[in-house]
Amino acid sequence: GAVVSQHPSRVICKSGTSVKIECRSLDFQATTMFWYRQFPKQSLMLMATSNEGSKATYEQGVEKDKFLINHASLTLSTLTVTSAHPEDSSFYICSARDISAGGDNEQFFGPGTRLTVL
Amino acid sequence: GQNIDQPTEMTATEGAIVQINCTYQTSGFNGLFWYQQHAGEAPTFLSYNVLDGLEEKGRFSSFLSRSKGYSYLLLKELQMKDSASYLCAGTLSSASKIIFGSGTRLSIRP
Repeated sequence: GAVVSQHPSRVICKSGTSVKIECRSLDFQATTMFWYRQFPKQSLMLMATSNEGSKATYEQGVEKDKFLINHASLTLSTLTVTSAHPEDSSFYICSARDISAGGDNEQFFGPGTRLTVL
Repeated sequence: GQNIDQPTEMTATEGAIVQINCTYQTSGFNGLFWYQQHAGEAPTFLSYNVLDGLEEKGRFSSFLSRSKGYSYLLLKELQMKDSASYLCAGTLSSASKIIFGSGTRLSIRP
């Protein structure tokens, strides 16, 4: 099956620094990738939709200047958390949609990135 | 708007059957997913229903009624490893994004 990787799997940083998280589709091309955030014992909250070659679409309440998304190729999207603060500590998960498959059931999740901001 | 509801927690006994319900109110609804998520891990795909009816896949079955805005996930012959969160999620016909419910934490006791 299709594989989505994320890097790093875990990161600890100081408050005020920026952290970049990569999401890659390893064996398929993805024009669209999605970024989610999950706080402990809560469900996944969609943050933004990343579109290859164009600007990301952010969900209501998500600061686009704080969570920078770049989707420069059909296999890579990056999420940069700028000036991170302790309240940004969370589990960040990406998913990717296979453009070669029809319908909307072809979406695969990465393993997630655990961000801890001290 | 979009609203997906499911129970917060459930408990069941090993070897038994459990049904996790999900109700939704989504404009432009297209289909419904069920995902399993173990603590600290990403969700894994269980099922996708776009038509009314029951779809069976091994020990897991998923049901959808579009007219009632209702779905359930049925787990049979429960095993301890089935202890996890189960996420109900809807897709919108206008976009390819998935909207998740709050998830149901299922605990299996011996």
